[in-house]
Amino acid sequence: QQQVKQSPQSLIVQKGGISIINCAYENTAFDYFPWYQQFPGKGPALLIAIRPDVSEKKEGRFTISFNKSAKQFSLHIMDSQPGDSATYFCAASNGGSQGNLIFGKGTKLSVKP
Amino acid sequence: NAGVTQTPKFQVLKTGQSMTLQCAQDMNHEYMSWYRQDPGMGLRLIHYSVGAGITDQGEVPNGYNVSRSTTEDFPLRLLSAAPSQTSVYFCASSYRPGQPQHFGDGTRLSIL
Repeated sequence: QQQVKQSPQSLIVQKGGISIINCAYENTAFDYFPWYQQFPGKGPALLIAIRPDVSEKKEGRFTISFNKSAKQFSLHIMDSQPGDSATYFCAASNGGSQGNLIFGKGTKLSVKP
Repeated sequence: NAGVTQTPKFQVLKTGQSMTLQCAQDMNHEYMSWYRQDPGMGLRLIHYSVGAGITDQGEVPNGYNVSRSTTEDFPLRLLSAAPSQTSVYFCASSYRPGQPQHFGDGTRLSIL
């Protein structure tokens, strides 16, 4: 019940295309859903996050779509660029005193020029 | 601001050796955590702390110890290194659990 399942494991997209990464969770107590971006040799960095009171959040070319009834959330990268090539992790937590982040296994995105 | 600083960046150990991975943050964050990252496994929580003097186990705590004597520092100790502990270790911090976490750049540890 604590797992966060992420797909696909890897993704190749042409420059200018849309990259879509999906995550699913089981624990209905989760109330915070961040996405992290990680470049080789670096630590993960927070990209965008959503709470379940909204169905969508957009920041520039990055959008999170959230479906509470299906217990799924996804990251959409519009107009994908080679500089977006990185590993992306979804995560979830319940925000309380024991609200540790549970991470998905990651998606390696390659954007071809 | 330095954010989250991890040292060393790289380390090679022999089986049975002990060592301490250092983590320091300068953001006055109460919550700090240690993760290990292995290929295809994502980030798995080893230990965490919600404040000075308070630590608890995460998903994969065996073989590791932590302490939190100050708000700024959260060292991770490997008691007797094993090849299965070869991994990249990340330290992270945030104001509270469940809040945006700031990660260090990791320690790449190889155990022969």
